[in-house]
Amino acid sequence: QLQLQESGPGRVKTSETLSLTCTVSGGSISSTNYYWGWIRQPPGKGLEWIASIYHSGSPYYSPSLKSRLSISVDTSRNRFSLRLNSVTAADIAFYYCARHGGDYDFRGGLPGYFQQWGQGILVTVSS
Amino acid sequence: EIVLTQSPVTLSLSPGERATISCRASQSIRIDLAWYQQKPGQAPRLLIYDASNRATGIPARFSGSGYGTGFTLTISSLEPEDFAVYYCQHRSNWPPTFGGGTKVDIK
Repeated sequence: QLQLQESGPGRVKTSETLSLTCTVSGGSISSTNYYWGWIRQPPGKGLEWIASIYHSGSPYYSPSLKSRLSISVDTSRNRFSLRLNSVTAADIAFYYCARHGGDYDFRGGLPGYFQQWGQGILVTVSS
Repeated sequence: EIVLTQSPVTLSLSPGERATISCRASQSIRIDLAWYQQKPGQAPRLLIYDASNRATGIPARFSGSGYGTGFTLTISSLEPEDFAVYYCQHRSNWPPTFGGGTKVDIK
């Protein structure tokens, strides 16, 4: 059974870089036609997709965050990572990693649906 | 970017009642819509995909309908475990976006 697990510091200082990793188990991150993505959720608020990547390295970024984001994949370690620089209090959120897409979505260039999720990690920002 | 608007924001119902949640898209997305359920302290769980197909293991009391810009999630008879927040999400293009959420709470 596919499982995803987020890891990283739970606290980042204002203006510094948030770095998170999602480790995939029970399946290969090189699975054909699936995307690996990040979604965040400020406490008590809604869901916001922020970035995704395919195992061969094609990234997709939220237009509103693109200038601060970087997503990468490490197939040898079966994990993918997110970096968000210049963080502020507006970046305080639960960050979830997820698998999405599939054959139909990938062939059509569509993002697909988020079928499997990690448990999430709360990241706070402080001065 | 496609905007998804959910209504109502909160739905107060009793166990056994029927819940109906709406999701409206800012442009046509055909049937490219999913519904998720999120309980406190948990990640969202996929309920419905392609507007009307139940994901694996989802009970038959959950159903979805709609096409184009208007979609509905219906829970035919609320069970205690169904009180949660529900989100819609489109996959019509990049970026995928979510609706603002509907909280179904106990009346």
